[in-house]
Amino acid sequence: QKEVEQDPGPLSVPEGAIVSLNCTYSNSAFQYFMWYRQYSRKGPELLMYTYSSGNKEDGRFTAQVDKSSKYISLFIRDSQPSDSATYLCAIAQGGSEKLVFGKGTKLTVNP
Amino acid sequence: ETGVTQTPRHLVMGMTNKKSLKCEQHLGHNAMYWYKQSAKKPLELMFVYNFKEQTENNSVPSRFSPECPNSSHLFLHLHTLQPEDSALYLCASSQDPDPTNEKLFFGSGTQLSVL
Repeated sequence: QKEVEQDPGPLSVPEGAIVSLNCTYSNSAFQYFMWYRQYSRKGPELLMYTYSSGNKEDGRFTAQVDKSSKYISLFIRDSQPSDSATYLCAIAQGGSEKLVFGKGTKLTVNP
Repeated sequence: ETGVTQTPRHLVMGMTNKKSLKCEQHLGHNAMYWYKQSAKKPLELMFVYNFKEQTENNSVPSRFSPECPNSSHLFLHLHTLQPEDSALYLCASSQDPDPTNEKLFFGSGTQLSVL
């Protein structure tokens, strides 16, 4: 079983839609949960960072962690064409353990 | 711009060639990384350097040889690569090597094609 599972999509939505992106993981020791956004021909950039369970909100973006289900989500409200990118989840145990990335979900928001 | 610059942006090489990828960070960070990004695969960590010392080699074949002359520069020397090595090679840096405390800053990558 892979450590992190992420549906690669692609996902296509109309402008203004609510987008839900998800990852599941297998190791209950993971405590740090991140979402990176990668535009075409660019490197990933950190979008959201969450420690342990709960929600974190930043503008139109909300990150959710459900450790009991080993499930993390990123919600985008009022999606814009500029949100079109690949979104990668990244998870870590902490300490010297390396960051584990999902495959990424390619999102297109159509005007 | 993220403060991490990679050159070249694109590279095509034959299997017998020797080439090098370059990365420079202007952020004053202490840790630098090489990642490989292949289509439909997760980002794979290749090497980690902390204060110029290699702290991780993630079972990378010897045809990939990293070099870190100082905390601001990182190279990846390539020799007798295989077509399956074609991928986007990303350099990243962080203040320290614990990725849970400090975010990674990525460069735009070098798109490598091995013929």
